[in-house]
Amino acid sequence: KAGVTQTPRYLIKTRGQQVTLSCSPISGHRSVSWYQQTPGQGLQFLFEYFSETQRNKGNFPGRFSGRQFSNSRSEMNVSTLELGDSALYLCASSNWGDSGANVLTFGAGSRLTVL
Amino acid sequence: SQQGEEDPQALSIQEGENATMNCSYKTSINNLQWYRQNSGRGLVHLILIRSNEREKHSGRLRVTLDTSKKSSSLLITASRAADTASYFCATTGNQFYFGTGTSLTVIP
Repeated sequence: KAGVTQTPRYLIKTRGQQVTLSCSPISGHRSVSWYQQTPGQGLQFLFEYFSETQRNKGNFPGRFSGRQFSNSRSEMNVSTLELGDSALYLCASSNWGDSGANVLTFGAGSRLTVL
Repeated sequence: SQQGEEDPQALSIQEGENATMNCSYKTSINNLQWYRQNSGRGLVHLILIRSNEREKHSGRLRVTLDTSKKSSSLLITASRAADTASYFCATTGNQFYFGTGTSLTVIP
């Protein structure tokens, strides 16, 4: 079965621009969560979507937003990019909320560099 | 913050030795999981231990959990160069909380 697919893998933006990252979860997984990983802060939780509804949100400014579509695919958007937004953005899917184990399956990540 | 902390932050051992890393967390948990991350890639799930379990094994991995001390340890026996990676613990309440990670280097 296909894994979690994140696109694009690498991208470079300049300050003030916006970016949209995409995540396709494992087929059948309804939960998609996003994390920001930086050397200084480790893995920081951004938000989680379950059946198109945002179920949990981390402590990030409103410039960070996301959504989930009916096919469980998810996008996250960062507007007005800042240098500090440079990071590896990881998407993970799970069948959280179903009867199975709540284990996360991660994509390979999208490496964002803001210049 | 409910984020856990791994200890040590970095560990370097010779191939064939055992590697032990520890995780401390702050709140009550449903379960605790360990993940591995190879450089610049996504995390891969290794093992899950439920809050009512004290020890669990999977291949060369052994995980212990002490809920009274809010701590867990991951032991990798007979380490290999391919075990070189960062290891994270994650606790689950209504969301996942990841620790800061232990960077393990196994020298061939």
